[in-house]
Amino acid sequence: RKEVEQDPGPFNVPEGATVAFNCTYSNSASQSFFWYRQDCRKEPKLLMSVYSSGNEDGRFTAQLNRASQYISLLIRDSKLSDSATYLCVVEFGRTDSWGKFQFGAGTQVVVTP
Amino acid sequence: NAGVTQTPKFRVLKTGQSMTLLCAQDMNHEYMYWYRQDPGMGLRLIHYSVGEGTTAKGEVPDGYNVSRLKKQNFLLGLESAAPSQTSVYFCASSPTLNPRPTDTQYFGPGTRLTVL
Repeated sequence: RKEVEQDPGPFNVPEGATVAFNCTYSNSASQSFFWYRQDCRKEPKLLMSVYSSGNEDGRFTAQLNRASQYISLLIRDSKLSDSATYLCVVEFGRTDSWGKFQFGAGTQVVVTP
Repeated sequence: NAGVTQTPKFRVLKTGQSMTLLCAQDMNHEYMYWYRQDPGMGLRLIHYSVGEGTTAKGEVPDGYNVSRLKKQNFLLGLESAAPSQTSVYFCASSPTLNPRPTDTQYFGPGTRLTVL
């Protein structure tokens, strides 16, 4: 079982619509959570961090559900430029076996005119 | 600032050949990382460094070696390339080892390596 799992998609979204997707993680000791965006064949870039209370950045809203061990990303009023792969990243905290900075395989979002 | 740069951008190797990938950052970050990304899989950590002169193994270190002789550079070496090492390699740097919400990892543009 993967430690960080995402629905690969693609999520086909009409321009202006709302799309939401989740990411589940297996380690309950996880401490920090992030969403990265990756455009085709480009490097990942931080989209937003995910706070315990949930947070919003413009059209993007991230939520954390520790009890069910998942984080979510919601995109409102989708733009064509939102087409990308969204990577879920979970960091388990510092231990003597560091390296627990786990990336999901990504969820592809395609926004159509 | 150039951020994080990687050299080369593309490379084709034959099985058994060796090569070194160079990562450079000009942000004075302490921490640097090498990842590989394969289709259908998330980025996997190969090696990382918490400072000049230090390196440590990540999730998939076999077949790779690294060196951090200067703070701004992190080299990834393949001593004897294998087809299983065909991948996209990303370097990243971070001001801290344990990124907090105010921190992030900054990635280089990637190196696309094919081993025949």
